[in-house]
Amino acid sequence: AQKVTQAQTEISVVEKEDVTLDCVYETRDTTYYLFWYKQPPSGELVFLIRRNSFDEQNEISGRYSWNFQKSTSSFNFTITASQVVDSAVYFCALSGTTDSWGKFQFGAGTQVVVTP
Amino acid sequence: DAGVTQSPTHLIKTRGQQVTLRCSPKSGHDTVSWYQQALGQGPQFIFQYYEEEERQRGNFPDRFSGHQFPNYSSELNVNALLLGDSALYLCASSALGQGYEQYFGPGTRLTVT
Repeated sequence: AQKVTQAQTEISVVEKEDVTLDCVYETRDTTYYLFWYKQPPSGELVFLIRRNSFDEQNEISGRYSWNFQKSTSSFNFTITASQVVDSAVYFCALSGTTDSWGKFQFGAGTQVVVTP
Repeated sequence: DAGVTQSPTHLIKTRGQQVTLRCSPKSGHDTVSWYQQALGQGPQFIFQYYEEEERQRGNFPDRFSGHQFPNYSSELNVNALLLGDSALYLCASSALGQGYEQYFGPGTRLTVT
């Protein structure tokens, strides 16, 4: 069985502060994919990043960066210099490659509130 | 290139009624997945369709059924609606073999009264 845990329910920051979202996952698959999605109040899920289990290289894309550590089954996501437009619910998701192929397991989400 | 589209945007139904939600996948995609997102929760996988057949199913009762048409569009049907079925229903499409790359539609907000 797959499981994704986002322990942080809500994070409130002031604009320009950095925000780090935690994600811990469980899977028995040796090959899997991890994702971060953003869901603004409109409801549509916006794809942010994807990593596969073979690539633990951490990268930066604009104001987004992520820290993938297989040893601790964590896939944390950071928004640098937050802006009001970053206010949304952020979901971490996992997709295995065996019987769960294409079946996304989402965490409960973390509400990010950025105030001016 | 149109992305994933869903209709209707919003829907209000009465307990016990039946509802049909529709999804058109992104151009070039042949696989459609449906998710239910209750308020304050993450999306939950309902089922996935490919070649007009249900390939995978999550932990949802038989009241939830689906269909995929030859043009790859899909419908989600829910019978005997319960108050607890009120949620945002999201459709996602992908190409077979690329299940890791799913594109989500804007969703249908269903309210059961």
